[in-house]
Amino acid sequence: GAVVSQHPSWVICKSGTSVKIECRSLDFQATTMFWYRQFPKQSLMLMATSNEGSKATYEQGVEKDKFLINHASLTLSTLTVTSAHPEDSSFYICSRDRGLREQFFGPGTRLTVL
Amino acid sequence: GQQLNQSPQSMFIQEGEDVSMNCTSSSIFNTWLWYKQDPGEGPVLLIALYKAGELTSNGRLTAQFGTTRKDSFLNISASIPSDVGIYFCAGQSNDYKLSFGAGTTVTVRA
Repeated sequence: GAVVSQHPSWVICKSGTSVKIECRSLDFQATTMFWYRQFPKQSLMLMATSNEGSKATYEQGVEKDKFLINHASLTLSTLTVTSAHPEDSSFYICSRDRGLREQFFGPGTRLTVL
Repeated sequence: GQQLNQSPQSMFIQEGEDVSMNCTSSSIFNTWLWYKQDPGEGPVLLIALYKAGELTSNGRLTAQFGTTRKDSFLNISASIPSDVGIYFCAGQSNDYKLSFGAGTTVTVRA
């Protein structure tokens, strides 16, 4: 069965609003979770590493003030897209590792910004 | 992270045929992972490889971790319609981050 869940599975919002996406580890306490973005017909690109109890670490070129990550518990990480614009429309996927080796992915969240 | 060189980009195959795809990298990886992604869903882990030279099977899937630690291949034997999808390779480096290939789109003709 699924080991990572995401909510919502899809969201449509107006330009300028903020959207929060939740990622839950269902069977394992995860001190580290990862957030990816995937544009149509492209591969997954790592955005940031979410660390429980400390600040997230962002990949080069990803704006930390735009993509706010909070890892408040060992089973929940959230990604908030602030002041979303149409170019932020994408498929956002989170993952958690197992012993920092294999990574298991959530089902993804489709964000459409009008 | 870097994007790995994955080939072929796409393939059309007859049901029952074997499928091969591979990934190469300019960097060494500690772990190679192969995922399958169906439209609108997250990637699902198929096989994980941890040691150079390792050959691992999962049902009709076989994958190998190259001896140079810079490449890996995935074989699917006797393909069936549900093998349709996009297959991604991923390499894990010392900082535990994953770098992905561009994907191989497999379409099976019945």
